Amino acid sequence: LAKTTQPISMDSYEGQEVNITCSHNNIATNDYITWYQQFPSQGPRFIIQGYKTKVTNEVASLFIPADRKSSTLSLPRVSLSDTAVYYCLVGDRGGTASKLTFGTGTRLQVTL
Amino acid sequence: DARVTQTPRHKVTEMGQEVTMRCQPILGHNTVFWYRQTMMQGLELLAYFRNRAPLDDSGMPKDRFSAEMPDATLATLKIQPSEPRDSAVYFCASAPGQGPHGYTFGSGTRLTVV
Repeated sequence: LAKTTQPISMDSYEGQEVNITCSHNNIATNDYITWYQQFPSQGPRFIIQGYKTKVTNEVASLFIPADRKSSTLSLPRVSLSDTAVYYCLVGDRGGTASKLTFGTGTRLQVTL
Repeated sequence: DARVTQTPRHKVTEMGQEVTMRCQPILGHNTVFWYRQTMMQGLELLAYFRNRAPLDDSGMPKDRFSAEMPDATLATLKIQPSEPRDSAVYFCASAPGQGPHGYTFGSGTRLTVV
């Protein structure tokens, strides 16, 4: 399974754009990149998933360069409620080994 | 929104007692996972099932933990006997077998073994 590396923590002010980068140097051809958000006392929540280039939804954007060895989660105009732990994972989305391994995540702290 | 339902939400038990945690996956999801989260280890995958068949339980202590899916609407994780080091939050998650969807996690069972 591809290992991921992401910053342990980040700080931001409310209203700013936050970019969290994840490295996954040994990503496999069949692997997708998925990001989850976890608030205290809750289970992780799916944010976004992509394979290459750019994916955007109502919550975030995911940028994936051509070599796919890294990815960047972009949160536009964060608010205090975006304070959470963000996990980057890579895994085979639909194959027999489609289990996802969570790393340590990035703890994002948003302040006024 | 469809939800993964876990019961109980909290459980306090004495060392040596049997603990059973239950999970109702989202209807139609054929893949079910059990994760354990602690401050020290983070989120660890314990076991996962597809179409009710166990695919991987290598993350689970075999001597005391067991995971089953009696039917498509129920997954169980049992610890017998429980130990203080089993204290953690246990999450169940489900996912459709294919397609651009991530896992949907339940709210977890917070287990305290004293």
